[in-house]
Amino acid sequence: NAGVTQTPKFRILKIGQSMTLQCTQDMNHNYMYWYRQDPGMGLKLIYYSVGAGITDKGEVPNGYNVSRSTTEDFPLRLELAAPSQTSVYFCASSGYSGAWNEQFFGPGTRLTVL
Amino acid sequence: QQPVQSPQAVILREGEDAVINCSSSKALYSVHWYRQKHGEAPVFLMILLKGGEQKGHEKISASFNEKKQQSSLYLTASQLSYSGTYFCGTDQGAQKLVFGQGTRLTINP
Repeated sequence: NAGVTQTPKFRILKIGQSMTLQCTQDMNHNYMYWYRQDPGMGLKLIYYSVGAGITDKGEVPNGYNVSRSTTEDFPLRLELAAPSQTSVYFCASSGYSGAWNEQFFGPGTRLTVL
Repeated sequence: QQPVQSPQAVILREGEDAVINCSSSKALYSVHWYRQKHGEAPVFLMILLKGGEQKGHEKISASFNEKKQQSSLYLTASQLSYSGTYFCGTDQGAQKLVFGQGTRLTINP
């Protein structure tokens, strides 16, 4: 199993550009999450999904959009990139089913907006 | 509401013990602990649930005081591999975690 994979690993965007961060998991997990981590800080939840077709906002959703058309994929869309979105983005998945289980994290995407 | 971790940073010599605390102003259903090494993704350590159930992979002990809305992570006889930043995540009932700001642990030989 590859676990949780994310692409790209690094990206530099200009202000106002858009991009999609890809996230795929092969563990058949129903729960998936997007976090951002600013330098020296903790993880902030952007969006999460409890299954295909169901998404909900986290703590910091402004400036982002998500979709979940399949169990495996959970892409994060950045529209009109701003310097404040410079961060490391982590995707995670969990097999939550009435009881908490561990979250498996992808390797992250390091995004710089200039 | 973000949980508060203390201390913010700890420096130990190999073999020493450390305690990392996590507290919340809200009622907690569970507390989750993760470790992150520099430049890497967080890795799961343990979940502590109401009622005393624990789930974890490593020989790391922790406690969860539901009434005080606090959890503590105990690292005994620390090894160099324990170095990293430790995060607690609190489940406040909405099927999502809110993470603390982290505690940076440095183990020196």
